[in-house]
Amino acid sequence: IAGITQAPTSQILAAGRRMTLRCTQDMRHNAMYWYRQDLGLGLRLIHYSNTAGTTGKGEVPDGYSVSRANTDDFPLTLASAVPSQTSVYFCASSETSGSYNEQFFGPGTRLTVL
Amino acid sequence: GQNIDQPTEMTATEGAIVQINCTYQTSGFNGLFWYQQHAGEAPTFLSYNVLDGLEEKGRFSSFLSRSKGYSYLLLKELQMKDSASYLCAVDNDYKLSFGAGTTVTVRA
Repeated sequence: IAGITQAPTSQILAAGRRMTLRCTQDMRHNAMYWYRQDLGLGLRLIHYSNTAGTTGKGEVPDGYSVSRANTDDFPLTLASAVPSQTSVYFCASSETSGSYNEQFFGPGTRLTVL
Repeated sequence: GQNIDQPTEMTATEGAIVQINCTYQTSGFNGLFWYQQHAGEAPTFLSYNVLDGLEEKGRFSSFLSRSKGYSYLLLKELQMKDSASYLCAVDNDYKLSFGAGTTVTVRA
């Protein structure tokens, strides 16, 4: 593994189902982030983690939860999916959560909720 | 809230220069990033400005004026592979707030 991986690449999901998007990085970065990207709206932060064991809410956290049990993994869970959660989801990481926190992005997960 | 504005689309000819403007109004400021995103791919880092002035990196340059809440990305000697979206992002309280992106189309 080099960089950040996300799984699945794409998924079609029935409304009301539970879904976990996986994200793993091998750069030993302290901070990790989840974004959603929608046409015309750009990337919006869902949740973030400044270091293992801590998480925080971003701009659009409702309907999503995260955990950070270790440095490498940062899964995003949709407890009960709704059609408005149809989007492309990007996971990102940065060495620190401080200044000059250049973020490296995973390849994304395209999620469709029907 | 955060407000980051950039044009939706720009078109330019191969070999030309294009300037993508970004204006921002945010509650905090710790720096400004530019990312490039090709269709269907992840964003990749292009530049970072924290002090006023111009940062040059090969064919790409980025400018920042903190007092005006303004930045631009300058792409010189455009190549077909530069066709992509360019995202302006402000580091606000050590979290990034992104503009909606500018799609640049380079024509032969």
